[in-house]
Amino acid sequence: QKEVEQDPGPLSVPEGAIVSLNCTYSNSAFQYFMWYRQYSRKGPELLMYTYSSGNKEDGRFTAQVDKSSKYISLFIRDSQPSDSATYLCAMGSNDYKLSFGAGTTVTVRA
Amino acid sequence: IAGITQAPTSQILAAGRRMTLRCTQDMRHNAMYWYRQDLGLGLRLIHYSNTAGTTGKGEVPDGYSVSRANTDDFPLTLASAVPSQTSVYFCASSVTGGYGYTFGSGTRLTVV
Repeated sequence: QKEVEQDPGPLSVPEGAIVSLNCTYSNSAFQYFMWYRQYSRKGPELLMYTYSSGNKEDGRFTAQVDKSSKYISLFIRDSQPSDSATYLCAMGSNDYKLSFGAGTTVTVRA
Repeated sequence: IAGITQAPTSQILAAGRRMTLRCTQDMRHNAMYWYRQDLGLGLRLIHYSNTAGTTGKGEVPDGYSVSRANTDDFPLTLASAVPSQTSVYFCASSVTGGYGYTFGSGTRLTVV
């Protein structure tokens, strides 16, 4: 079993819809949780970073962490075609090395 | 523009050949990483370096070696390439103790 599980999708939604992405993990040592966005043929870029359980908002993006269930989510409100990308969850402990999910490919249809 | 430069952008390599993937950053980040990205498997850590002069093994280090002679450069070498090393390779960097990795644009390597 991989440390980080992420449904690869693909996910296709109409413009304006809410996109919901999630990951589960098995390593209780993970304390830091991130979401990266990766456009086609580009490197990943950091989208959201959170440490504690609960919600964190940044514009149209909300990251949610539930450490008791070992489950994290990313919600994108009012999705735009420019949000079409692969979204990677990532997690780390005190060794500062990240473990990534496989990524979910999202297409927002105009 | 500050960031990470990877070279080459893509390469087709004959099996058994030696290849060095180059990575240079200009952000003075202490930590650097090499990941490979494969469909369905996501990003897997190959090697890392917390500071110049030190390196460590990641999840999939076999067949790869790295060096960190200075802060800016972190080359990845395939001593004798095999087809299973066909992948997209990403170099990343961060401040020490930071998770906000900055990634390069990747090197697409095909071993035939």
